[in-house]
Amino acid sequence: GENVEQHPSTLSVQEGDSAVIKCTYSDSASNYFPWYKQELGKRPQLIIDIRSNVGEKKDQRIAVTLNKTAKHFSLHITETQPEDSAVYFCAASVRGKLIFGQGTELSVKP
Amino acid sequence: KAGVTQTPRYLIKTRGQQVTLSCSPISGHRSVSWYQQTPGQGLQFLFEYFSETQRNKGNFPGRFSGRQFSNSRSEMNVSTLELGDSALYLCASSLETKTYGYTFGSGTRLTVV
Repeated sequence: GENVEQHPSTLSVQEGDSAVIKCTYSDSASNYFPWYKQELGKRPQLIIDIRSNVGEKKDQRIAVTLNKTAKHFSLHITETQPEDSAVYFCAASVRGKLIFGQGTELSVKP
Repeated sequence: KAGVTQTPRYLIKTRGQQVTLSCSPISGHRSVSWYQQTPGQGLQFLFEYFSETQRNKGNFPGRFSGRQFSNSRSEMNVSTLELGDSALYLCASSLETKTYGYTFGSGTRLTVV
């Protein structure tokens, strides 16, 4: 079936530490993997994405890695700041739609 | 460049009523997708429209329907509302009928009482 598993569901880190969120997808045909950040009461915003022909992509403090063989992809945030606190969603494209993970609530403590 | 606009932002309806939500995509975007967001189920795909045609549909009952107009604006309708339909309904637009470059609107918060 179409499924994306996301772990952990909550993550608490100290300011300046790194945070890693992991996702696993089920459909081997998936070829696009975006990550969204949703602050409380706001819309999800795309923060980074990766396509299946790329293994890693970086944008300043955030990076995403993809292992197509294992059907795993991960979000890495370095030097976390309090404003990074939000819910993060991974997603995988499946036949023209996005299937989302259940979300990770990241809390960065000053 | 204006973003994705959803109206209304908040809505309270009674069980059994019907409701229509509106979404205006980013100018030039022709694909509009709808998602339901709830604390228990997360973000679930409802349907996608491209050039006034429904291209994709999620696993929701027939009470949920939608349409797209020639100017790419989209509406979704929910008939015979149930308490479980209470959710944040998000619309997302993109240039083409693919998921690349999805931009979400702020959503419509529907409460069914």
